[in-house]
Amino acid sequence: GNSVTQMEGPVTLSEEAFLTINCTYTATGYPSLFWYVQYPGEGLQLLLKATKADDKGSNKGFEATYRKETTSFHLEKGSVQVSDSAVYFCALSGSGGYNKLIFGAGTRLAVHP
Amino acid sequence: NAGVMQNPRHLVRRRGQEARLRCSPMKGHSHVYWYRQLPEEGLKFMVYLQKENIIDESGMPKERFSAEFPKEGPSILRIQQVVRGDSAAYFCASSPDGTSGYEQYFGPGTRLTVT
Repeated sequence: GNSVTQMEGPVTLSEEAFLTINCTYTATGYPSLFWYVQYPGEGLQLLLKATKADDKGSNKGFEATYRKETTSFHLEKGSVQVSDSAVYFCALSGSGGYNKLIFGAGTRLAVHP
Repeated sequence: NAGVMQNPRHLVRRRGQEARLRCSPMKGHSHVYWYRQLPEEGLKFMVYLQKENIIDESGMPKERFSAEFPKEGPSILRIQQVVRGDSAAYFCASSPDGTSGYEQYFGPGTRLTVT
């Protein structure tokens, strides 16, 4: 079945460091791919998405490119801030032809001043 | 435009009691999804509903769990005879369309604790 695998956390970085969180997927057909962010005690917020191969999603300095050849959707940011500390979830949809989301386990990011 | 609303935010139940979780989708959204998040884990899909219809309940435990989304009113996730293993955060999401690729808007979640 469809699945998403993320790099394990926690990831600890200093402010202004470069961030990469790896995400790979297994899916039939052509899923849409998402990154969601969860701040402590809150629900999930969509960070960015890509709906077809080679699309690049970007938002708030974060970006990820849909790579069909490597079945990957790695999240990157050039310079992280303390306020980026959160849990990041990679997800895909399209299983069964509709919008059910399948999530990775999440990666906790801690950014220190 | 108010976001997805869930209540209660926190719910404590003793083993054997019933838990009823409510979700009001965003205005204009007729597609609702429920997910469960166990401590330190990702979200797991439970059920997908449209108004008055269950489209996919493949993630729902076979017993004790049920969901509905009536023509009027919020979507309800009901857990009968709760056990400690039901303790989790339950998130509801809504979207204006069920087609793959549409953003799902998440509520703040209901954190269920079973004592």
